[in-house]
Amino acid sequence: EPEVTQTPSHQVTQMGQEVILRCVPISNHLYFYWYRQILGQKVEFLVSFYNNEISEKSEIFDDQFSVERPDGSNFTLKIRSTKLEDSAMYFCARQSLGNTIYFGEGSWLTVV
Amino acid sequence: AQKVTQAQTEISVVEKEDVTLDCVYETRDTTYYLFWYKQPPSGELVFLIRRNSFDEQNEISGRYSWNFQKSTSSFNFTITASQVVDSAVYFCALSEARPGGSYIPTFGRGTSLIVHP
Repeated sequence: EPEVTQTPSHQVTQMGQEVILRCVPISNHLYFYWYRQILGQKVEFLVSFYNNEISEKSEIFDDQFSVERPDGSNFTLKIRSTKLEDSAMYFCARQSLGNTIYFGEGSWLTVV
Repeated sequence: AQKVTQAQTEISVVEKEDVTLDCVYETRDTTYYLFWYKQPPSGELVFLIRRNSFDEQNEISGRYSWNFQKSTSSFNFTITASQVVDSAVYFCALSEARPGGSYIPTFGRGTSLIVHP
């Protein structure tokens, strides 16, 4: 089953810069998620998005993070002012009708 | 609160050996889903299987098989006749129904499987 497409696949940014990661779900599902995986560590939930609104967020998802679906299709994660510890793989995911969670290929973010 | 434990941090086997990856979970819900994902060196998370809490039937898919036992809260994954291409990190995950209908998976720490030729 098709998953989601994420861009960019890899981004290097300077500390303090804003970053936008994009996700394009192939089919029109209601639930979307962002997860983060710091290198070598576990996959951590950031935020869930339902019907164009945040439905839940974790403690990691603080004020420097935001999500939106600006054109009804693309689903974005914005990090307003990046820190070194934001370096991680960021995964977008969608929830299928059968409640399976399918992940995109991820976006590697390196903050220098 | 939900929790997933993958006690094996790393497993190293020689090709053609069988290997079992353990997963133990904790939940207070009666309705939940269990997942296994594979993360190859390229980094993506590949869905392998989903099992709901009401279906304890074991499943086999080629060289892969899964043993779900509610009595021991375990959902173990066995690879038969392992191959070098099976080398990856394998994650077990658990999700419960949330208000509004979402299912947010909680992941274990993963087991790194290394298959030597």
